Amino acid sequence: GENVEQHPSTLSVQEGDSAVIKCTYSDSASNYFPWYKQELGKGPQLIIDIRSNVGEKKDQRIAVTLNKTAKHFSLHITETQPEDSAVYFCAAILSGGYQKVTFGIGTKLQVIP
Amino acid sequence: GAVVSQHPSRVICKSGTSVKIECRSLDFQATTMFWYRQFPKQSLMLMATSNEGSKATYEQGVEKDKFLINHASLTLSTLTVTSAHPEDSSFYICSAPRTGEGEQFFGPGTRLTVL
Repeated sequence: GENVEQHPSTLSVQEGDSAVIKCTYSDSASNYFPWYKQELGKGPQLIIDIRSNVGEKKDQRIAVTLNKTAKHFSLHITETQPEDSAVYFCAAILSGGYQKVTFGIGTKLQVIP
Repeated sequence: GAVVSQHPSRVICKSGTSVKIECRSLDFQATTMFWYRQFPKQSLMLMATSNEGSKATYEQGVEKDKFLINHASLTLSTLTVTSAHPEDSSFYICSAPRTGEGEQFFGPGTRLTVL
């Protein structure tokens, strides 16, 4: 099955700085890579995703890059704000049908005002 | 975006009782839903796949007789924790894929505390 490794497990940045979270996956057949943000006591929310036919995707301050050859993908948050503080999970999925999600361990991001 | 709801959001029960958690897809039909369990400061652990009209598929190590799953309609799946014990206290989250192309939408979670 798929195995997703995520790092760092914790990340502290000053407000306004950038944050980068990296993930690697094992199954080269995986073709859909979502990122979820989970605030304390809440369910994960999809914040951005990328498919294997795209190398980079950006949505305002959030961007995701994918290197299929190396089997790794990264989340980039620029101009961080205190409300970005949360736990972020990456995932890798073989889409087609209804596939279960294999999550990374999560990264606790703290944005210091 | 698609919305998935869970009810209740939190429940406290006595040891030995059973607790039912509902997961609903509000604006789309979901033939498949997933149930996860999350311990503090840990990632989500998949417990089972709920299939509308058929038996659920459980992950290795998850007791199917303890965690009963029913997916009776295209918008509702229920997880019943039977004979709950303090070690069952956790955050339970459901998810539903909408398109079959990977996107999944998660419920807000249910905090279960067993005394």
